[in-house]
Amino acid sequence: DVKVTQSSRYLVKRTGEKVFLECVQDMDHENMFWYRQDPGLGLRLIYFSYDVKMKEKGDIPEGYSVSREKKERFSLILESASTNQTSMYLCASSSGGDGTDTQYFGPGTRLTVL
Amino acid sequence: AQKITQTQPGMFVQEKEAVTLDCTYDTSDPSYGLFWYKQPSSGEMIFLIYQGSYDQQNATEGRYSLNFQKARKSANLVISASQLGDSAMYFCAMREVDTGANSKLTFGKGITLSVRP
Repeated sequence: DVKVTQSSRYLVKRTGEKVFLECVQDMDHENMFWYRQDPGLGLRLIYFSYDVKMKEKGDIPEGYSVSREKKERFSLILESASTNQTSMYLCASSSGGDGTDTQYFGPGTRLTVL
Repeated sequence: AQKITQTQPGMFVQEKEAVTLDCTYDTSDPSYGLFWYKQPSSGEMIFLIYQGSYDQQNATEGRYSLNFQKARKSANLVISASQLGDSAMYFCAMREVDTGANSKLTFGKGITLSVRP
């Protein structure tokens, strides 16, 4: 079974802090994704990566950056956290290539910025 | 314009009955895929079922089936014999193959399903 883990289930940070959200997958997947989920808005893609050291902006990249130094790990960075970044953050991975290329998700991190 | 539309308000169903969750989509890409995910209160997104745009038959996975009507651009999820554990939020998502981002998904806003005992 695919397993995607995220470093924290709940996180509380203060405005202006630098925040790291870590995601690790154990299925040698090529693709990794970061989403945020807010009530009434569904999931919105922040950044994604198709390969090590590669990254592409999603629909709402402002205020975020990412890092993918190893294939299994994809980090989301909030350089200076703000209250409007309080949200649920979901990481996903997929194998890439042909076929269904299903995305598998981690358990999510509920981030609160005070 | 929204690419994935889920407009039903919170849905209720009696245990052991069937329920249909609606999803319509908008794309000009001839090749695409449609997914349904379940999100229980714990927060994790669980993949349920997939339908490819060229698939001739509706997808089925256990108690889940997808009523795919290509001309109407709808991909409704049917859950048969509802169980209390089916209470969750359900998301429809679409993958468009020709966008240059072959794995990117667009999600709808979700539908809350509550199963009554």
